[in-house]
Amino acid sequence: QVQLVQSGAEVKKPGSSVKVSCKASGGSFKNAISWIRQAPGQGLEWMGGISPLLGSTSYAQKFQGRVTITADESTTTGWMELSGLTSGDTAVYYCARGVGQYLISYLDSWGQGTPVTVSS
Amino acid sequence: QSVLTQPPSASGTPGQKVTISCSGSSSNIGSNILNWYQHLPGAAPKLLLYSDNQRPSGVPDRFSGSKSGTSASLSITGLQSEDEADYFCAAWDDSLNGWVFGGGTKLTVL
Repeated sequence: QVQLVQSGAEVKKPGSSVKVSCKASGGSFKNAISWIRQAPGQGLEWMGGISPLLGSTSYAQKFQGRVTITADESTTTGWMELSGLTSGDTAVYYCARGVGQYLISYLDSWGQGTPVTVSS
Repeated sequence: QSVLTQPPSASGTPGQKVTISCSGSSSNIGSNILNWYQHLPGAAPKLLLYSDNQRPSGVPDRFSGSKSGTSASLSITGLQSEDEADYFCAAWDDSLNGWVFGGGTKLTVL
């Protein structure tokens, strides 16, 4: 069973960027990886994902132009970078792995979450 | 504001059966598989059911799922104190071209 381990909590200033990492161990990194966030008191929100095997990314319209998702198969690590941070981006950010190479593959493993706080 | 609709809370006593609903639309639940997750505070969400009603290895058969049209439900029989957690549903949405989630249901074992 693959385990996804994310980087630690971040505190950022408004207008800055944050980059969260997600390292996979114990399984293939050829599967699709999605990034999801949950703001305080809110539901889960899919931000986008990457299919390392296909070399393709897809982003939710809400985050287009602000988010960049990348992955390095050699280090089995993925990253999500979000720019132009506002207080509305304060949330816990999760990575999750699909069972297949396509983003539509159901998500079978999740990271532990990375809290990101945006505050001046 | 979640695309999939779940009741915010549910409760039951040990040994009881509890059912949690998840309602969506033709672009998500109506045309794609539905998955359920268990989420304990501070932990990674855990896959509970996939493809509407399939249990991953290690998930007790006390957990079951069903789907009809644009609605689905998660049932937990023989409720145990360890089942106290948040449960959320998830499905791919063909219109949004991404994953959508329920708002989560907090299950309390009385």
